[in-house]
Amino acid sequence: DIQMTQSPSFLSASVGDRVTINCKASQNINRYLNWYQQKLGEAPKLLIYNANSLQTGIPSRFSGSGSGTDFTLTISSLQPEDVATYFCLQHNSWPWTFGGGTKLELK
Amino acid sequence: QVNLLQSGAALVKPGASVKLSCKASGYTFTDYYIHWVKQSHGKSLEWIGYINPNSGYTNYNEKFKSKATLTVDKSTNTAYMELSRLTSEDSATYYCTRRGIRGTPLGDYWGQGVMVTVSS
Repeated sequence: DIQMTQSPSFLSASVGDRVTINCKASQNINRYLNWYQQKLGEAPKLLIYNANSLQTGIPSRFSGSGSGTDFTLTISSLQPEDVATYFCLQHNSWPWTFGGGTKLELK
Repeated sequence: QVNLLQSGAALVKPGASVKLSCKASGYTFTDYYIHWVKQSHGKSLEWIGYINPNSGYTNYNEKFKSKATLTVDKSTNTAYMELSRLTSEDSATYYCTRRGIRGTPLGDYWGQGVMVTVSS
């Protein structure tokens, strides 16, 4: 199985900060990487698919980049409503696998 | 509007089975695969598998092959996941979600999740 390693596991930032979350795959997954946001008590929400495509309705402050094994989710200007846990998912090879999550809180 | 409505929380005894449902509405059921995802308390997500509602074809994560059985009822636009021989390790929240057969990404809509608690 492909291992997805997210970093950091925990992140504290201030409103307006630029935030980056990383995801590293144990082998090449091309651009088959999605990012999800999960708020407390809610189902995950799709933010970015295929590494850099913004899902409909998601604010443009969210962006994704990367290919191969290294990927990044960037929030250009952190808003209070962005407090959540973020997960990456590789869908290049079965079984699909998620990263361990990054919990983002406000400083 | 698109909705995936999951059945209510379940408290089940060790060794028993439970069948979870995911009723789809607001779209053509057979145009989207239904995927199931497990989230143990406070932890990350695990992909269990998916079913093609049109053909019934299934693809499982090897880890869940002897644990989960995915089925659908096209007449009611409902997907099911049966979990068997339950242990405390199966206590978790389970989500259904969808992915377009024509390539739209996984997870544009999710069920609300159902918590399964395995306890005597």
